[in-house]
Amino acid sequence: QLQLQESGPGLVKPSETLSLTCTVSGGSISSDAYYWGWIRQPPGKGLEWIGNIYYTGSTLNNPSLKSRVTISADTPKNHFSLKLSSVTAADTAVYYCARHRYRITTLRGVKRLYYFDYWGQGTLVTVSS
Amino acid sequence: DIQMTQSPSSLSASVGDRVTITCQASQDISIHLNWYQQKPGKAPKLLIYDASNLEAGVPSRFSGSGSGTDFTFTISSLQPEDISTYYCQQSDDFPFTFGPGTKVEIK
Repeated sequence: QLQLQESGPGLVKPSETLSLTCTVSGGSISSDAYYWGWIRQPPGKGLEWIGNIYYTGSTLNNPSLKSRVTISADTPKNHFSLKLSSVTAADTAVYYCARHRYRITTLRGVKRLYYFDYWGQGTLVTVSS
Repeated sequence: DIQMTQSPSSLSASVGDRVTITCQASQDISIHLNWYQQKPGKAPKLLIYDASNLEAGVPSRFSGSGSGTDFTFTISSLQPEDISTYYCQQSDDFPFTFGPGTKVEIK
């Protein structure tokens, strides 16, 4: 059974860098069938997709977070990581890692469709001094 | 970015009732619309993908329909364990965006 587990500090000071790791068990992040990514949810609010990574190292990030996001993968350790720099209180959220199942459609041009089919339990990160 | 809206924002229904949630996209997303269920304190769970396909292991009382900009999610007979917030999410265009959610409660 695939399991994802987030880990990292629960408290980060403003202007510093948030760092989280997602450890995957029961499956390999080196599989070519999946991407791996991050989604966050501020307390009491909705979901925001942050970005993903493929085993080749190719990444896709939400432009709303500009260049603050770095997603990397360590295939031997079977984990991937999120770094979010220059954090503010607005970055306080539950951060989820999730497997991105995908398929390619040619319905309207060629595009890759993602489905977030396995999630970690989430970890609350609070930005506060 | 594609904006997703949902209605209602919350609803209260009785066990056994048919429950319907609508989701609208700000532009044509074909059938590239997914539905998630999130129980309190838990991670979301994928229920429906590509507008109408039931994810493996999801009860058949859940269904979805629609294409273009208008989509519907239905629970045919509400059960106590369905108490959750439901989110739609478009996968048609980057960045992938979610609706604001619909909270379903038991009357």
